[in-house]
Amino acid sequence: GAGVSQTPSNKVTEKGKYVELRCDPISGHTALYWYRQSLGQGPEFLIYFQGTGAADDSGLPNDRFFAVRPEGSVSTLKIQRTERGDSAVYLCASSLAGASYEQYFGPGTRLTVT
Amino acid sequence: GENVEQHPSTLSVQEGDSAVIKCTYSDSASNYFPWYKQELGKRPQLIIDIRSNVGEKKDQRIAVTLNKTAKHFSLHITETQPEDSAVYFCAASKGANSKLTFGKGITLSVRP
Repeated sequence: GAGVSQTPSNKVTEKGKYVELRCDPISGHTALYWYRQSLGQGPEFLIYFQGTGAADDSGLPNDRFFAVRPEGSVSTLKIQRTERGDSAVYLCASSLAGASYEQYFGPGTRLTVT
Repeated sequence: GENVEQHPSTLSVQEGDSAVIKCTYSDSASNYFPWYKQELGKRPQLIIDIRSNVGEKKDQRIAVTLNKTAKHFSLHITETQPEDSAVYFCAASKGANSKLTFGKGITLSVRP
């Protein structure tokens, strides 16, 4: 079946602008995670959804970052007033609910803030 | 919070040799330890994982061992091939429905 998909694959924006990044999880996966990966680093956790609600948003760096998942499937990560330090690859992962431990990643969105 | 450290940061081996990559973690409550392979510009791919109730798991040429007492786990790749060249990340979590904490990654190069 189809894996996790993310759009756009690349986004270039100017400092101060607003961006939205989209994630389509694997069909039937109710758990959805956002991570951010800077060059030469491992992915860093941002936020986790179980269904429609954010179960853990402890990784969001500040209040410019927000994410939603209104129908429990597609999720959008929103970044306001972007800064050059926000440049990174934003990865989404999904997982089955219940006792499933495995997280499967999407290809990521490369965000560049100029 | 959890801290995962990975060493060495780079590893070069001759094709056909074995490669071992080690990770340590700090939180004794962590109970799930996956390994991801990431090729340049691609998504991280889950290649093997282990839960804390077992000490070793094998899948063809790859295996993972876990030492809960010492809080470290290792990835073993035998009969390495050039296509094994990639960045490998270890991670830890407290199980289902929990965030992953990743190490910084190791770049494995397999020389033909």
